[in-house]
Amino acid sequence: DGGITQSPKYLFRKEGQNVTLSCEQNLNHDAMYWYRQDPGQGLRLIYYSQIVNDFQKGDIAEGYSVSREKKESFPLTVTSAQKNPTAFYLCASSMGTSSEQFFGPGTRLTVL
Amino acid sequence: DQQVKQNSPSLSVQEGRISILNCDYTNSMFDYFLWYKKYPAEGPTFLISISSIKDKNEDGRFTVFLNKSAKHLSLHIVPSQPGDSAVYFCAASKVGRAQKLVFGQGTRLTINP
Repeated sequence: DGGITQSPKYLFRKEGQNVTLSCEQNLNHDAMYWYRQDPGQGLRLIYYSQIVNDFQKGDIAEGYSVSREKKESFPLTVTSAQKNPTAFYLCASSMGTSSEQFFGPGTRLTVL
Repeated sequence: DQQVKQNSPSLSVQEGRISILNCDYTNSMFDYFLWYKKYPAEGPTFLISISSIKDKNEDGRFTVFLNKSAKHLSLHIVPSQPGDSAVYFCAASKVGRAQKLVFGQGTRLTINP
């Protein structure tokens, strides 16, 4: 079955620690994205990547970093510089520049 | 600046009736619009989309209407079913920037038996 996997589903970290969220897709999609969702708000774009070894900042990139060494993988690191990291993080992918993005199940990060 | 707005945080509809979810946008450069459905603790799933060259797109029980002059789109679900209870997000993208979707805040739809 083709799809997007995110792990883990729930993640707890202490304040001041960096944490990396995993996102893998086997859809052979070129583009991958990271969004953040907070209660009562829409999805906000953190970073996106259209091809391997290339990525661009989204609307709320401060305190986050990404890498795209493989087409299938787009990990997101939440650094200690992110002031309010507790949120639901969603990874998505799409074919080329198609607007139809397919989402993973999400990771809920709680920073204690 | 909220470029895509869903002004109704919640909507309650009786099973079998029509559900109408609304979305307004401010950026006239948006040319492609999508609706996503989201269950709690899951990722959104794509429902239906519409290009700015059309004013209506239909897929089974779901129809999206686009009024470009009013910068307004709506999603109609007929007939509404209990499984339709979820949060619905509208999203928009610009010419040449298809990868940057701008999402509304979402509307929680509850279908009552």
